[in-house]
Amino acid sequence: KAGVTQTPRYLIKTRGQQVTLSCSPISGHRSVSWYQQTPGQGLQFLFEYFSETQRNKGNFPGRFSGRQFSNSRSEMNVSTLELGDSALYLCASSGGQTAGYEQYFGPGTRLTVT
Amino acid sequence: AQSVSQHNHHVILSEAASLELGCNYSYGGTVNLFWYVQYPGQHLQLLLKYFSGDPLVKGIKGFEAEFIKSKFSFNLRKPSVQWSDTAEYFCAVTHHSGGSYIPTFGRGTSLIVHP
Repeated sequence: KAGVTQTPRYLIKTRGQQVTLSCSPISGHRSVSWYQQTPGQGLQFLFEYFSETQRNKGNFPGRFSGRQFSNSRSEMNVSTLELGDSALYLCASSGGQTAGYEQYFGPGTRLTVT
Repeated sequence: AQSVSQHNHHVILSEAASLELGCNYSYGGTVNLFWYVQYPGQHLQLLLKYFSGDPLVKGIKGFEAEFIKSKFSFNLRKPSVQWSDTAEYFCAVTHHSGGSYIPTFGRGTSLIVHP
């Protein structure tokens, strides 16, 4: 079975721009979660999608948004980028109905904001 | 809000030494507990998990963890570490809320094992 894939793997953007990241979950997994990973903060939960609906949302500003398509693929968007948004963005899929079950992580997208 | 504390941010050991990484969480209700590992250049992957039952759980590569409900702890242990255990270790807790589970991760512990 193919694992979780994320595109692009690396991205460099300028302050004020917006960015869209993509995640394809493991086949059959319907729950997709997004995390921001930074050296100082570890993994911070952004949001979870299940069956195209946002089920949970972490404590991030509205500039961070996401969506999920009918094939369970998910995208996250960050608008008006700030320097502090530089991080590794991880996507995780779960075969259970929620992120309460074990999650399978992708390689991440490394976003650098200059 | 739920929080997860990993007390050791950086641990350096020699091969064959014993390992114990601490993890404490704040939520008082029913939780699911996980340890994930991130080897250099690789994806985060599940090391072990606890949902219910025997509080001593065994994972891959000789790791085990003990859930102590009264202490809100889920410490990770390995009797004898190897150089290949060098990695970042994350404790994670999910609790049930509003029909789904909310995940919270600790900040991670960087383990370096010297050969």
